[in-house]
Amino acid sequence: GENVEQHPSTLSVQEGDSAVIKCTYSDSASNYFPWYKQELGKRPQLIIDIRSNVGEKKDQRIAVTLNKTAKHFSLHITETQPEDSAVYFCAASNEGGADGLTFGKGTHLIIQP
Amino acid sequence: ETGVTQTPRHLVMGMTNKKSLKCEQHLGHNAMYWYKQSAKKPLELMFVYNFKEQTENNSVPSRFSPECPNSSHLFLHLHTLQPEDSALYLCASSHEQVYVYGYTFGSGTRLTVV
Repeated sequence: GENVEQHPSTLSVQEGDSAVIKCTYSDSASNYFPWYKQELGKRPQLIIDIRSNVGEKKDQRIAVTLNKTAKHFSLHITETQPEDSAVYFCAASNEGGADGLTFGKGTHLIIQP
Repeated sequence: ETGVTQTPRHLVMGMTNKKSLKCEQHLGHNAMYWYKQSAKKPLELMFVYNFKEQTENNSVPSRFSPECPNSSHLFLHLHTLQPEDSALYLCASSHEQVYVYGYTFGSGTRLTVV
């Protein structure tokens, strides 16, 4: 089955700086890569996703890049703000999703004022 | 409210009890999932249902028994649990092609086994 590794487990950045979270996956058949944000005491929510037919996707301050050859993908947050503080999870699956999303262990992002 | 409702929100049960967790969605999704989230192993996939059929059982102990009577409802029946089963149990639903809007999660049931 799929295995997703996520680094770092904790990331502390100054407000206004950029944050990068990296994930690798093992199953070359995976072609859908979402990122979820989970604030303390709340449910995970989808913030951005990418399919294997593109190498990069942006949505305002958030971007995701994918390198299928190396089997890794990354989340980039620019101009970080206090409300970006949360746990971020990467995940991978085939687009059919019949076997469910496999998640990384999460990154606790701390934005320092 | 995101459209996925889980009940109860909190549950404390003894190791000899039998209880059930309920998940309900009215988003028109045909896939539903159970995940276990604990401090040491966050977001572990337990079960996957597509069009009411179980398509994935991720080596879950038999003391956890899922039931999916229709595409809108999912249950997790619990019996003779262990203290290490204490965790947040999250239900999610999605289109059968998961890349269509991804998962919508419920708020979870915080389970404590005493």
